[in-house]
Amino acid sequence: GQQLNQSPQSMFIQEGEDVSMNCTSSSIFNTWLWYKQDPGEGPVLLIALYKAGELTSNGRLTAQFGITRKDSFLNISASIPSDVGIYFCAAQRYSGGGADGLTFGKGTHLIIQP
Amino acid sequence: NAGVTQTPKFQVLKTGQSMTLQCAQDMNHNSMYWYRQDPGMGLRLIYYSASEGTTDKGEVPNGYNVSRLNKREFSLRLESAAPSQTSVYFCASRKKQLPNTGELFFGEGSRLTVL
Repeated sequence: GQQLNQSPQSMFIQEGEDVSMNCTSSSIFNTWLWYKQDPGEGPVLLIALYKAGELTSNGRLTAQFGITRKDSFLNISASIPSDVGIYFCAAQRYSGGGADGLTFGKGTHLIIQP
Repeated sequence: NAGVTQTPKFQVLKTGQSMTLQCAQDMNHNSMYWYRQDPGMGLRLIYYSASEGTTDKGEVPNGYNVSRLNKREFSLRLESAAPSQTSVYFCASRKKQLPNTGELFFGEGSRLTVL
C-alpha cells in the first residue's frame, strides 16, 4: 500500500528554536496535509496543500508541497510551549473512481524544553 | 458546534466481548471514517463511508464491522474483541470525497482496552 515516511520520529528542542519535519513517499500524491494532535484529542488540520510546488504559511507554520509530488515539509519558527504535540503528515491520491481516506505518516512527536 | 462526537470515550472489555463505538457529526458531511491509532503506527484506516448507504474497507478492517445508519451517524462494531484491538479509535468526517477536499474533522477519540 501507499506509505509515507515521516521524520524525525521525535524532536527535543529548546523554546524559541525553529523546527523542521518532512514526509516522503515513493508514490505521487495530489494533496498533502499537516495535522497536529494535542494529548487526549483528535488531530486538527494545520495546513493543506493542493498544488505541486505550493508554499503555504499559517502564522509561524510554513509547509510546502514538493515539486515531484512525492514529499512535503513543515517548518515551525520560534517554537513556543503550546507547539508540543504530535504532528502528522497526510496525503491523498485522487483516484477518480474508488473512494479512500488519507494515508498518514507515523507522526513526529515534538517536545519543547523551556 | 459539536463537530464530530464519539461515544464512549473510554471502555474496557474482556476478550470475546462485543461492543459498538458510536460516532455522529453535525456538519452535514458526506464522508465518514474510522481510524485506529497505535503507538509508532500513526493513524490507520479501518473502514470508511463515502456517502450515506455505502461502506468500504480500509487498511485494517479485520475484526470490525461498520454501519452508516444515516448521514449523521457511523458506528464501528467489534463482534468478538481481542487484545490486539486495544487502541485509540478516531471517527472523522469530511464534506466531499474528492477532489481537493482533504480536510478531515476528527472526534476526540475512544480509548479501548481489551483484557
